[in-house]
Amino acid sequence: RKEVEQDPGPFNVPEGATVAFNCTYSNSASQSFFWYRQDCRKEPKLLMSVYSSGNEDGRFTAQLNRASQYISLLIRDSKLSDSATYLCVVGDSGGSYIPTFGRGTSLIVHP
Amino acid sequence: EAQVTQNPRYLITVTGKKLTVTCSQNMNHEYMSWYRQDPGLGLRQIYYSMNVEVTDKGDVPEGYKVSRKEKRNFPLILESPSPNQTSLYFCASRGPNSPLHFGNGTRLTVT
Repeated sequence: RKEVEQDPGPFNVPEGATVAFNCTYSNSASQSFFWYRQDCRKEPKLLMSVYSSGNEDGRFTAQLNRASQYISLLIRDSKLSDSATYLCVVGDSGGSYIPTFGRGTSLIVHP
Repeated sequence: EAQVTQNPRYLITVTGKKLTVTCSQNMNHEYMSWYRQDPGLGLRQIYYSMNVEVTDKGDVPEGYKVSRKEKRNFPLILESPSPNQTSLYFCASRGPNSPLHFGNGTRLTVT
């Protein structure tokens, strides 16, 4: 079975902290990678795609390490509003990928 | 506005009473999928469809049926619901090489 593993947390950090999540995947042929954010009882929403060269969107940075088969998400200067569950999603091939979800990492940012 | 629409948002029913949860997308996406989400178990795929008249089982298909008679619609059918199908359900769709878009979710309770 193709697996995507995440540390469930919760990660409990103060405002302003930097926090990093990792996600490992078992299928070396995976080609599509995403981070989603999910608030309690709401639908997952795309946070960012993850590109081979790494990419940044404001306070968020995503990295891909194909050799070690993991992706990471770094959140700088955490805000209270960043509190959510972060889901790692990995696709098994290119355009027609079937996505596999990790179980999510819970982040709690406190004052 | 590009969106995935699920109905109903909330549904309480009794064991054995057939029900259908509708899902519609307006983005001309070929791929559509149904997930259920339960505490501690993350998102689990029920069924997916790569195109019209093409459907496949996901990880937890037992007790569910789907159909894909037209590209925009992908209803989830529970012929004889049971209490263990009480869950939060999400429909999602995506285009080629693009991330999933989720509907708002359907919270189903089977008594």
